Amino acid sequence: QVQLQESGPGLVKPSETLSLTCAVSDYSISSNYYWGWIRLSPGKGLEWIGSIYHSGSTRYNPSLKSRVTISVDTSKSQFSLKLSSVTAADTAVYYCARHVGYTDSSRFDWWGQGTLVTVSS
Amino acid sequence: QSVLTQPPSVSAAPGQRVTISCSGSSSNIGTNYVSWYQQLPGAAPKLLIYDNYLRPSGIPDRFSGSKSGTSATLGITGLQTGDEADYYCGTWDRSLSGHVVFGGGTKLTVL
Repeated sequence: QVQLQESGPGLVKPSETLSLTCAVSDYSISSNYYWGWIRLSPGKGLEWIGSIYHSGSTRYNPSLKSRVTISVDTSKSQFSLKLSSVTAADTAVYYCARHVGYTDSSRFDWWGQGTLVTVSS
Repeated sequence: QSVLTQPPSVSAAPGQRVTISCSGSSSNIGTNYVSWYQQLPGAAPKLLIYDNYLRPSGIPDRFSGSKSGTSATLGITGLQTGDEADYYCGTWDRSLSGHVVFGGGTKLTVL
């Protein structure tokens, strides 16, 4: 069983940078899988933000790419998300998850519990 | 506006069967595998179906998946009140250098 736990501020001011970390336990983050960030906004569906491999290779959602940075720290078994220049539209529950298959067989099989981030002054 | 199109809601009585559709295009569902997720109230999404019709360990066979062309379908038989949840489809999209896309979600109400 893979355990994932998101952490970070629950409130971010407009125009600032949202920063979250996902701690992975009971599984090696250096295994042959990607690790991803997904969000769920009020009234909207799920939205993939991006994914990272333990080597540091990343893939981002084209609609968010200009504002997103995902990094990994294998020594701490965690990966992180930074989303810059946030607006109210970035208010969402943010999830981290293990990303299996990656491309044509892409799916997320283990998820964190999610953390609500509100963008407000 | 989600890339994959799902009905906003479906409903059925306990014990009945329900299907949820997911419509896409040749760049996503038409050429890649589809997965389905169940999100119970207050919980994280849970993988129900992957590679169009495969079930992860622990998922009952009341849940099934299929794909035809650029559409996919999730089927649930023997509906239970505990199945009341939001359901999402997802897949890879080959456009714009490739990215994951999801549907807007379908709220299942068990009457």
